[in-house]
This record gives sequence, structure tokens and C-alpha cells, in this order.
Amino acid sequence: TQLLEQSPQFLSIQEGENLTVYCNSSSVFSSLQWYRQEPGEGPVLLVTVVTGGEVKKLKRLTFQFGDARKDSSLHITAAQPGDTGLYLCAGLPSGSWGKLQFGAGTQVVVTP
Amino acid sequence: EAQVTQNPRYLITVTGKKLTVTCSQNMNHEYMSWYRQDPGLGLRQIYYSMNVEVTDKGDVPEGYKVSRKEKRNFPLILESPSPNQTSLYFCASSSVGPSYPAGQPQHFGDGTRLSIL
Repeated sequence: TQLLEQSPQFLSIQEGENLTVYCNSSSVFSSLQWYRQEPGEGPVLLVTVVTGGEVKKLKRLTFQFGDARKDSSLHITAAQPGDTGLYLCAGLPSGSWGKLQFGAGTQVVVTP
Repeated sequence: EAQVTQNPRYLITVTGKKLTVTCSQNMNHEYMSWYRQDPGLGLRQIYYSMNVEVTDKGDVPEGYKVSRKEKRNFPLILESPSPNQTSLYFCASSSVGPSYPAGQPQHFGDGTRLSIL
């Protein structure tokens, strides 16, 4: 059973559209991270959020950590083909030292 | 260049033939871990190591062994591989454990695709 549930599993949109990816859990997390993975490569960190209610922006990407630290969202404004990839959320459950949990990922495809 | 290096990148082998996947990092990181990635399941942690000689089980440790004799190396050993261990494997490292402070970035290798017939 996945501790972190991501939705949707797959998202296909046109260039210029907006999209939101969700990462939900019934457990509390000390921190949550978002990674992007491209084919043939390992995931690369986009952002880390640690405080409930925190919002971080990275150019056209906006990340939010839920007030209760059980969920997070990633919003992309005016998506570009370069945003295509597998987006993974990862978290450290509250009370855990080293056992990181990953979601199953959301495959995003942005077509020109 | 700071990196995590896994070898081999690809391996096809047969059931029961012991194999080792090596992982080395040149960033003097304390924390290292192994994951397997399967379609629809995301990354699942196999083992992690907080420092030299300190290892612990992740969520899917059955059928795997690890060792951490030196800080830079963290090999993954499959003593008797079986077809259900066919997967894409990633090694990752971070400067300290993920809770010190919260949210240490994980640096991933490029993956090892393992096929066990």
C-alpha cells in the first residue's frame, strides 16, 4: 500500500495550459519533496517543503504543503514541452529517521 | 563533478546467479539508499544507510543485502535473484539523513536495469 497517493497518474495537455498534480496521505510528514524524472535518468529534486501551509514558487511551478502536513500540490502555469516528465512526491513520515516514502508518480506530457 | 555512479547500467542474468550492483558517490555523503522502480508503484526503498556500518531495512528488503564498509560505497547484493526482482534500481545519497534538517535533497544515480530470467 502506497503511503503517498498521487493523482492523476497521467496528464496530457497542450502547451500553454495549466495543470495541477496532487500528493495525498492519511499520515503526517515532517517534510515533503517533489522530484522530476526524465527517461533514462534518476529523479532530480525540484523543491522541499517543511512547514504546514508553506507555498514555494520556482518560476512557473508553485508548490504547496497542506496545513496538516498530510498533502501537497504542484501547479504548473503555462506548461511547456520541457515540463514533460514523471513528477514524484516523496516524504519523510513524522517520527521516521531515514525511511523515505515515494508516491507512484504522475506522468505529465506537454505537447506543442 | 559531483555524482552517484551505479554499475552496471544494464544486466540480464538467470535465476539463482548471485550478482552485485555497485554504487559509489564522491560527495562525502553520509546517507545512502537503494530503491527499485516498477510501473505504477513508483520508487520503493530497499535499504538505507545513515553512515558507515549503519544500515537498515526499507519497505521491500526481502531478497536483498547491502553493506557499508566505506563512506563512498553502498553495494546492493542479490544472493539468489528471482524473476520478481526484475526492475529498475536506483542508488541515492544525501549529505546527512533526511531528517537532519528536514528535507535533504537526494542525489540519484542514472539507474540499473536488471532482468532476471
